[in-house]
Amino acid sequence: NAGVTQTPKFQVLKTGQSMTLQCAQDMNHEYMSWYRQDPGMGLRLIHYSVGAGITDQGEVPNGYNVSRSTTEDFPLRLLSAAPSQTSVYFCASSPGQGWNQPQHFGDGTRLSIL
Amino acid sequence: GENVEQHPSTLSVQEGDSAVIKCTYSDSASNYFPWYKQELGKRPQLIIDIRSNVGEKKDQRIAVTLNKTAKHFSLHITETQPEDSAVYFCAASHPSGSARQLTFGSGTQLTVLP
Repeated sequence: NAGVTQTPKFQVLKTGQSMTLQCAQDMNHEYMSWYRQDPGMGLRLIHYSVGAGITDQGEVPNGYNVSRSTTEDFPLRLLSAAPSQTSVYFCASSPGQGWNQPQHFGDGTRLSIL
Repeated sequence: GENVEQHPSTLSVQEGDSAVIKCTYSDSASNYFPWYKQELGKRPQLIIDIRSNVGEKKDQRIAVTLNKTAKHFSLHITETQPEDSAVYFCAASHPSGSARQLTFGSGTQLTVLP
């Protein structure tokens, strides 16, 4: 199993551009989530999904959209990039309902907004 | 929502000594408490977790204790080694309503000095 795969690994955007961060898992996990990691602030939940067709907001959802059309994929869309969205983004998956299970993280996407 | 505070933010110990990292949480309904280790530039990885029906859990040199009354839990690493140097994150999770998510602490940078 590849586990959780995130693409791209690095990206530089200009303010106002849009882009999609890809996340795929091959473990048949129901729960998937997106976090952003900023220095000194730990990991903050952006959006999560408990199964295909179901998504919900986390702690910091503004400026981001998600969809879950399949169990495997959970893309994160930045609608209009802002410098405040410069961060490292991690996708994670876990079995069952997810909130009480070990999270399997991807390698992260390092995003810079100029 | 849940709030998790983690202390200290940095910790330096001599090789062979013990290290203790403490976290407090705010929501008494939280019932799952994992710890993640993140090496520089890498993904967070689960090292140990505990559920609210257990007071202590050990795995070789790592242990976690939970005090539900005081709403705090701690990570104990004994006989520290240089490869233990990393950032450690605690988290708390609870199933209430739509808030089925993990809330992370802000992290502790552990440095083990040879």
